[in-house]
Amino acid sequence: GNSVTQMEGPVTLSEEAFLTINCTYTATGYPSLFWYVQYPGEGLQLLLKATKADDKGSNKGFEATYRKETTSFHLEKGSVQVSDSAVYFCALSDRSGGYNKLIFGAGTRLAVHP
Amino acid sequence: DVKVTQSSRYLVKRTGEKVFLECVQDMDHENMFWYRQDPGLGLRLIYFSYDVKMKEKGDIPEGYSVSREKKERFSLILESASTNQTSMYLCATKMGGYGYTFGSGTRLTVV
Repeated sequence: GNSVTQMEGPVTLSEEAFLTINCTYTATGYPSLFWYVQYPGEGLQLLLKATKADDKGSNKGFEATYRKETTSFHLEKGSVQVSDSAVYFCALSDRSGGYNKLIFGAGTRLAVHP
Repeated sequence: DVKVTQSSRYLVKRTGEKVFLECVQDMDHENMFWYRQDPGLGLRLIYFSYDVKMKEKGDIPEGYSVSREKKERFSLILESASTNQTSMYLCATKMGGYGYTFGSGTRLTVV
């Protein structure tokens, strides 16, 4: 079945460091891909998405490119801030069974210190 | 903006109790979902509903049931709570296209 694999955390960075969180997927067909973020004590929020190969999603300085050849959707940010500390989830849309639902990775916790 | 409200942030229940988790949305969205979130496992889909009185099993439906009597309300029911159901439960509704809105979650502890 369809699945998403993320790098294990926690990831600990200093402020202004470069961030990469790896995400690879297994899917039949061509799913849409997403990054969600969960700040402490809150639900998940959509961070960015890409709906087809070579699309780049971007938001709040974060970027991810849909790479079909490597089945990857790595999240990057050039300069992280303390306020970026959160748990990040990679997800794909699963249309099997005639219904559209999301399949999530395990999540990667990011801690940014001053 | 769509708002998804989960009735409790924290809940403590005893083993064997019947537990109801409530989720209410303030827009007329047809699709609603229940996930559980566990460290190292991410979010796993329990049940979802695409219309009133309609429901579909997700990946881990065992030990759970759901009810959708009105479009705005989607309830998750633990028929006989067990300690392995201690988890964070997240409700979501689906917006147009592929957008989902999540509630803040209910952290359930079964003792």
